[in-house]
Amino acid sequence: GDSVTQMEGPVTLSEEACLTINCTYTATGYPSLFWYVQYPGEGLQLLLKATKADDKGSNKGFEATYRKETTSFHLEKGSVQVSDSAVYFCALSGQAGTALIFGKGTTLSVSS
Amino acid sequence: NAGVMQNPRHLVRRRGQEARLRCSPMKGHSHVYWYRQLPEEGLKFMVYLQKENIIDESGMPKERFSAEFPKEGPSILRIQQVVRGDSAAYFCASSPPGWGKGYNEQFFGPGTRLTVL
Repeated sequence: GDSVTQMEGPVTLSEEACLTINCTYTATGYPSLFWYVQYPGEGLQLLLKATKADDKGSNKGFEATYRKETTSFHLEKGSVQVSDSAVYFCALSGQAGTALIFGKGTTLSVSS
Repeated sequence: NAGVMQNPRHLVRRRGQEARLRCSPMKGHSHVYWYRQLPEEGLKFMVYLQKENIIDESGMPKERFSAEFPKEGPSILRIQQVVRGDSAAYFCASSPPGWGKGYNEQFFGPGTRLTVL
């Protein structure tokens, strides 16, 4: 079945450092891909999305490019802030599916 | 426009009791999904409902768990005879009609954190 694998955390960075969180997927067809962020004690918020190959999603300085050839959707940010500390989830939605399939999440901790 | 509402935010039950979790979707949304997040795990799909219909319950445990989304009122996830392993965060998400054509964007509530003593 469809699945998402993302890098294990936690990821600990200093403010202004570069961030990459790896995400790869297995799916039949052409899924849509998402990054969600969960701040402590809160629900998930959609961070960015991409619906077809080579699409780049971006929001709040974060970017991810849908790479069909490597089945990847890595999350990147050039300069992280303390306020970016959260858990980040990569997810996919299958072509004919209803549910989002999530990775296990990666905890990011940014210190000043 | 209020977001997805869930209540209670925290729920404590003793083993054997019933837990009822409520979810009010965003205004205009007619699709509701329930997910469970176990400690140190990602979210796992449980059930997908539209008004008065269960569309996909492939992620629901076969026993003790049920869900409904009545014509009026919130969606309810009911867990009967809770056990310690049911302790988790339960998230509800909603999406508007016409979902599935093109892409899926779901809007999540803040979750209900269930603790079973």
